[in-house]
Amino acid sequence: GQQVMQIPQYQHVQEGEDFTTYCNSSTTLSNIQWYKQRPGGHPVFLIQLVKSGEVKKQKRLTFQFGEAKKNSSLHITATQTTDVGTYFCAGRRNNNDMRFGAGTRLTVKP
Amino acid sequence: DGGITQSPKYLFRKEGQNVTLSCEQNLNHDAMYWYRQDPGQGLRLIYYSQIVNDFQKGDIAEGYSVSREKKESFPLTVTSAQKNPTAFYLCASSPPGANTEAFFGQGTRLTVV
Repeated sequence: GQQVMQIPQYQHVQEGEDFTTYCNSSTTLSNIQWYKQRPGGHPVFLIQLVKSGEVKKQKRLTFQFGEAKKNSSLHITATQTTDVGTYFCAGRRNNNDMRFGAGTRLTVKP
Repeated sequence: DGGITQSPKYLFRKEGQNVTLSCEQNLNHDAMYWYRQDPGQGLRLIYYSQIVNDFQKGDIAEGYSVSREKKESFPLTVTSAQKNPTAFYLCASSPPGANTEAFFGQGTRLTVV
């Protein structure tokens, strides 16, 4: 079945440092979505990428979708303590299912 | 308020007992999903349903069962056949179509003792 791999599993940074998490799929995706889960909370939708090579920005967050629509990345510039949480990518091949990566847990030291 | 509701938030059961987790949404979403979350393993898909009276197995369906008799409800039963049922269970729903976001419930933390 479809596999969505995400690395790294954990990332600890000093406040102000940058952070990147990477997502790779074994199959071509129709889209990729990114979610954030705060400690003790549930995943909340951040953004969706649909087009090959697409790049989207949300303030300090930059999301990319690969040309082959098999990989994606989330980059946070100058992390803040409010960025703490686990970031998940989720890939869809068709309408019928949505597979999540294992997530990258980000901790930020003030 | 529109949303997706899971209940209860915490659930304790004795080993060997079946237990049903509730998931209700009033968002008029066609698709609903159940995921299991274990530390370090992200969200694993148990079952999903695209329409009433239809559902599909996900990656880890063994030991679980679901029903979709109503559009707004997608209960998950954890049976005694599930070897390691203790986990955090998340229900989600989304509108029809591939390019739609998922909305998650607050989750149910099940502990089997």
